[in-house]
This record gives sequence, C-alpha cells and structure tokens, in this order.
Amino acid sequence: SQQGEEDPQALSIQEGENATMNCSYKTSINNLQWYRQNSGRGLVHLILIRSNEREKHSGRLRVTLDTSKKSSSLLITASRAADTASYFCATASSLGAQKLVFGQGTRLTINP
Amino acid sequence: GAGVSQSPSNKVTEKGKDVELRCDPISGHTALYWYRQRLGQGLEFLIYFQGNSAPDKSGLPSDRFSAERTGGSVSTLTIQRTQQEDSAVYLCASSLPTSGGVRFGPGTRLTVT
Repeated sequence: SQQGEEDPQALSIQEGENATMNCSYKTSINNLQWYRQNSGRGLVHLILIRSNEREKHSGRLRVTLDTSKKSSSLLITASRAADTASYFCATASSLGAQKLVFGQGTRLTINP
Repeated sequence: GAGVSQSPSNKVTEKGKDVELRCDPISGHTALYWYRQRLGQGLEFLIYFQGNSAPDKSGLPSDRFSAERTGGSVSTLTIQRTQQEDSAVYLCASSLPTSGGVRFGPGTRLTVT
C-alpha cells in the first residue's frame, strides 16, 4: 500500500493565490520529499525535509513536517500558471536506503 | 551534466511478447530505482538497486518482471509475456546513496495491445 496520501486529490485556484497540499504517511520516516510532475512525465524533485526538521523554504515553496501527526504540507505562494502540475510526496524510511514510496498525488490547476 | 536517460521513449508491443526497457543513470549515482505509473495514478515502486547490495525486489508485481544492473550502472527492466495491465509509464531514477532527492528519467511509455 502507498505510504503517502495526498490531500486534496485535485485543487484549482486563481493565479496569484496560494496553494496548500497535504500529505499523510503511516510509518516512521527518515525524510519526506515533494516532487512535481508535468504532462504525465518529468518528475522533478522540489524539496526534502528531514525528520528532525519542522519547516523548510525554497523560493515560493514552504514545506512543513509534523512527525507527531505523520503529516506534511506543501505551500506554493503567489501561484503562477506554470505551477500547474501534479505534486507528489514521497517518504524514505531508513537512513542510507532511499527507497521512496510515493503517494497518489495532488493535481493542481492554476487558472489565469 | 547529463541526466537519467531511458530508452525507448515509447514501446508498443503485442500481448504475450517480452520487452526490455533500459535506464542509464547519472554517472556516479549508486542508487537506481524503477517505478511504474499507470495513467492518472501515483508511482508504484518496483525495484531498488544500491551499489553491490542485493536489490530490493519487493515491488515487482509478478515473476514476469525482472531487472538487472550491470557494472553498477546501466539497468534493464524485462517484462516477459506482457499483459494489457502492464501498460504504463516506466520511470527510472537514480541518486547518490545518502543524498536527498532522486533524479528521474523521462520514462518509457509501454502500451500492450
């Protein structure tokens, strides 16, 4: 079964608004990662947050991690049409063994 | 530098035929993964290679699926006696052993008719 579960499954917002996607997982993790996928292919790594971190920023991206709730959120601020894509969270459960388990993804649509 | 490359980019095959999918990881990346993604779905883990360790084959869906990695670099995923449910995009990824995110290839779109 999938480790990560994204919520919502689909999200549609206006350009300029902020988009928040959530991910829940079931077992202990070493780190959690977020990926973006355009046009059904081309997965791109966005950001990694380790289990001892609570928040991380990269440009317009902000990721939080709550290990007590086994959940993470990805916030995209000031969204752009180019942010339209599917976003996946992936968890790695053990140090040095980067077996990543992906969720089903959130389909984000930014309307101009 | 060059990223992860996969070949072919598209493959159409008849049910019952065998197919081989190839992955060239980034030079120096000792970890290599294969994932399968059905239309509109998430990524399904298939197999993971790390250096000279025994591969983690726990995601292979049946004994028709096998993968090998020669010389710690190139990997081939073989699907024998293909079935229509094997139709999907097969994604390869590689990474350094303890680094952060993995780098994905563009995938091979397999269609079994």
